[in-house]
Amino acid sequence: EPEVTQTPSHQVTQMGQEVILRCVPISNHLYFYWYRQILGQKVEFLVSFYNNEISEKSEIFDDQFSVERPDGSNFTLKIRSTKLEDSAMYFCASTDPRRTSVAFFGQGTRLTVV
Amino acid sequence: AQRVTQPEKLLSVFKGAPVELKCNYSYSGSPELFWYVQYSRQRLQLLLRHISRESIKGFTADLNKGETSFHLKKPFAQEEDSAMYYCALRGEYGNKLVFGAGTILRVKS
Repeated sequence: EPEVTQTPSHQVTQMGQEVILRCVPISNHLYFYWYRQILGQKVEFLVSFYNNEISEKSEIFDDQFSVERPDGSNFTLKIRSTKLEDSAMYFCASTDPRRTSVAFFGQGTRLTVV
Repeated sequence: AQRVTQPEKLLSVFKGAPVELKCNYSYSGSPELFWYVQYSRQRLQLLLRHISRESIKGFTADLNKGETSFHLKKPFAQEEDSAMYYCALRGEYGNKLVFGAGTILRVKS
C-alpha cells in the first residue's frame, strides 16, 4: 500500500539555523499538508498546498515558514531561522482528489532545536 | 471557531470490557468527523469517519448533532486496541483537520 514518507526521522539543529523537512506524498494525491505536534500538545494544522500554491495556512505559519514542491514528488517545509519553540514532531499528509477528506499521514520528523 | 474536545487523557480498561472514548466538537456548520489512531511507533492512520457509517476493528462512532458528540465505542476491548486515539473535525470549507488532544487507551490483560 502506498505511504507518505518523511525524511529525516529526527533532526537536531541549532537555534537560528535553517532546516528543511522533506516529504514524499502518495503519488496520485493532489492536496498536501503540514501539521505539527509540540510534545504533550495537540496536533496542529500549519499549511495546506494545492496546485502549486498555499491554499490555507494557520497563524503559526508565519514568515519563518515556507513550503515548496520543487519537483513532481517532493513536498518540503522550510523553517528559515529556527527557534527553541519550533521543537516538535512535524507531520506531512496528503489527500486523494477523489476523497479529499481522508488524510494519509507520514511517520513524522522530530525536530529538536538546541 | 472549530474545536474538538477529548476530555480523557487516559482510559484504562480490562480486556473484554466495553470502551467509550469521548469526543465533543464545536462547529457552526456541517462538519465531517473522524477518528484517527496511532499505535506505538506507527503513523497516524484513519480508523473511521462518520459519513462512512462503518465498523472498523469492531469500533463504531455515531455523530450526534444535538449533543455535538462523536464518541468512539467498542463492546469488547482487545489488548491490540491499546493506542492513542485522536478525534478530528473537517469543516465545510477547506480541507484542514482540527484535532482533539487525544486519548491514550490502555487495555490490560
